[in-house]
Amino acid sequence: RKEVEQDPGPFNVPEGATVAFNCTYSNSASQSFFWYRQDCRKEPKLLMSVYSSGNEDGRFTAQLNRASQYISLLIRDSKLSDSATYLCVVTLSGSARQLTFGSGTQLTVLP
Amino acid sequence: SAVISQKPSRDICQRGTSLTIQCQVDSQVTMMFWYRQQPGQSLTLIATANQGSEATYESGFVIDKFPISRPNLTFSTLTVSNMSPEDSSIYLCSVRSSTDTQYFGPGTRLTVL
Repeated sequence: RKEVEQDPGPFNVPEGATVAFNCTYSNSASQSFFWYRQDCRKEPKLLMSVYSSGNEDGRFTAQLNRASQYISLLIRDSKLSDSATYLCVVTLSGSARQLTFGSGTQLTVLP
Repeated sequence: SAVISQKPSRDICQRGTSLTIQCQVDSQVTMMFWYRQQPGQSLTLIATANQGSEATYESGFVIDKFPISRPNLTFSTLTVSNMSPEDSSIYLCSVRSSTDTQYFGPGTRLTVL
């Protein structure tokens, strides 16, 4: 079983739609959680951290369910510029706290 | 935020040769990492580059194949040795900032013929 699993998609949605991505992680000792965004042929960039209480940044809402080892990302009123691959990322506890990446979910927002 | 540059941005190499990739950060950082992203896949950590000591390699990666240098807190190199077509990939340098955010360089796109 992969450490971080995501639905690979692709998700093709019209502009203005709401879309949700899910992610599960296998290690209950995972400590920190993130969503990264990777545009085609570019490096990953941090979109947002994910907190137990849930957090919102404009049109983006991230939620964490530690009991179910489940993370989600909700994008409201999607824009053409939201088209990218969204990577679910977790870290374990410890001094190194290396990032473990999911395989990514590809989103295309259509005009 | 940290600004990371990598050289070269891309290269096409013959099998059996070696390529050294450079990573330069615009500020001193404690943690530097090297990742690989194979075509159509997500990122896999190769190693943590430690300043003043040997790099810490992840399972499946060895120093003889991927020697790493970290002479100071702003610079690191990754060498891909004795290359084969299976090494064709994007190699990314990454750093963790003082705010615990992790940033990635633009990547080096390697094609081995």
